[in-house]
Amino acid sequence: GAGVSQSPSNKVTEKGKDVELRCDPISGHTALYWYRQSLGQGLEFLIYFQGNSAPDKSGLPSDRFSAERTGGSVSTLTIQRTQQEDSAVYLCASSLNLVGLAGYEQYFGPGTRLTVT
Amino acid sequence: AQKITQTQPGMFVQEKEAVTLDCTYDTSDPSYGLFWYKQPSSGEMIFLIYQGSYDQQNATEGRYSLNFQKARKSANLVISASQLGDSAMYFCAMREGGTGGFKTIFGAGTRLFVKA
Repeated sequence: GAGVSQSPSNKVTEKGKDVELRCDPISGHTALYWYRQSLGQGLEFLIYFQGNSAPDKSGLPSDRFSAERTGGSVSTLTIQRTQQEDSAVYLCASSLNLVGLAGYEQYFGPGTRLTVT
Repeated sequence: AQKITQTQPGMFVQEKEAVTLDCTYDTSDPSYGLFWYKQPSSGEMIFLIYQGSYDQQNATEGRYSLNFQKARKSANLVISASQLGDSAMYFCAMREGGTGGFKTIFGAGTRLFVKA
C-alpha cells in the first residue's frame, strides 16, 4: 500500500515568507508526527497528533510554528515569517497507536527540504 | 525527562564483521519502547528493530539484535555480518507509553562506515 507522502519535496523561500508543508499519512494510522532534521543532525521532535488533537506541542520551536490535522488524516505544518535557521528537512511519520502501548513503529515520509534564503 | 544518548559519532567496521552501536536512555516512565532506525544517504528513515520495556527477551530481526540491559538503561544495536549496504546513519529512539504520551525522542545518531 501507499506509504507516507509529503509535499513539496523541496521548498525554497525568502526570509519572512510563510510556508505550508503537507503530510499524508498511511491510511488508518491514527498517530502522526512531525520532526525537523538539520544538516548532519538527529531528529528534533516538533509535535504529534492522536487523531485530530495534538496533546503535546512542546517541541514547536516558537509561536511561528503551528500544525493542524483534519479528518484524522492530512496534516499541515505552517511556518510563519520564516527565518534562515528554519532551513532543515521536515519529516513526517505515522503509526498505529493503541492507548497504553508504546510499541508501534513509525513509518516516515521522504521529507520536505526547506531552504530559507 | 526523556533523554537518549549515542556517544559514537562515527564507527568503522570491516565487511562481514559484527559491530555494536551504543545507546543509553533515561526515563522515569516504566512503560516505554526503544527503536532503532537507519538513515542511508538517500535520507529515508528505515525502521530496524523495537524493544519494549517489559519484554523479557532481547529483540532480534535478521542480522539486527538489540542488547537490552534495563538496569543499565542501555539498548545497544548489534549488526552481525556487516555488509557494505549497512553504511548509513543509525538513530536510537525512545517513546514513553504512559504519561509521556507518544512523544518520541531521537539520539544524535552514529554514522557507520563499512569497509570492504
